[in-house]
Amino acid sequence: AQSVAQPEDQVNVAEGNPLTVKCTYSVSGNPYLFWYVQYPNRGLQFLLKYITGDNLVKGSYGFEAEFNKSQTSFHLKKPSALVSDSALYFCAVGDSNYQLIWGAGTKLIIKP
Amino acid sequence: EAEVAQSPRYKITEKSQAVAFWCDPISGHATLYWYRQILGQGPELLVQFQDESVVDDSQLPKDRFSAERLKGVDSTLKIQPAELGDSAMYLCASRITGGPGEQYFGPGTRLTVT
Repeated sequence: AQSVAQPEDQVNVAEGNPLTVKCTYSVSGNPYLFWYVQYPNRGLQFLLKYITGDNLVKGSYGFEAEFNKSQTSFHLKKPSALVSDSALYFCAVGDSNYQLIWGAGTKLIIKP
Repeated sequence: EAEVAQSPRYKITEKSQAVAFWCDPISGHATLYWYRQILGQGPELLVQFQDESVVDDSQLPKDRFSAERLKGVDSTLKIQPAELGDSAMYLCASRITGGPGEQYFGPGTRLTVT
């Protein structure tokens, strides 16, 4: 069975510092991986995806993610955090029916 | 930029009442999903449509929930009767059919059952 783990419930980062939100996955076959962000009382916004190709994927708002097949990870990164990046972040993996298996989410708090 | 539309944004209802949510996906998106999200948790898939057909409703509590997409465009999710435990965010998403593309979400409907 496919699964996604986000090992950190919350990540705290000072503004201007680099940030990393961790995601590991378990799939049979090729993984289709996604990151979404959710602001309070809003729907989920697509940030980026990995389907195939370059292991470093660039997305919206300066975010990027690195696909690591050997470590089965897809960590979300940003070189310099902004206070406005504070939100809930979800990692997801697509299954053969193109449904998404979701992680539990990581709350990112950026402190000024 | 095209967006998924949902209404209402907020709904307060008493238990045992009926409630309905509406979703209009991005034009041309044949696949539509309804999710339920408890505060602070990941979304839980309720039903998936391909055009007007249900692809997967295995997680839909069919004794009280129903979903339809009669003309393969907009969709309605209904709860009757509502229970206290139904309080949650109800999200609609759509995607272009074919290949592992991303889903695009609407703003959601926040349901509170009193």
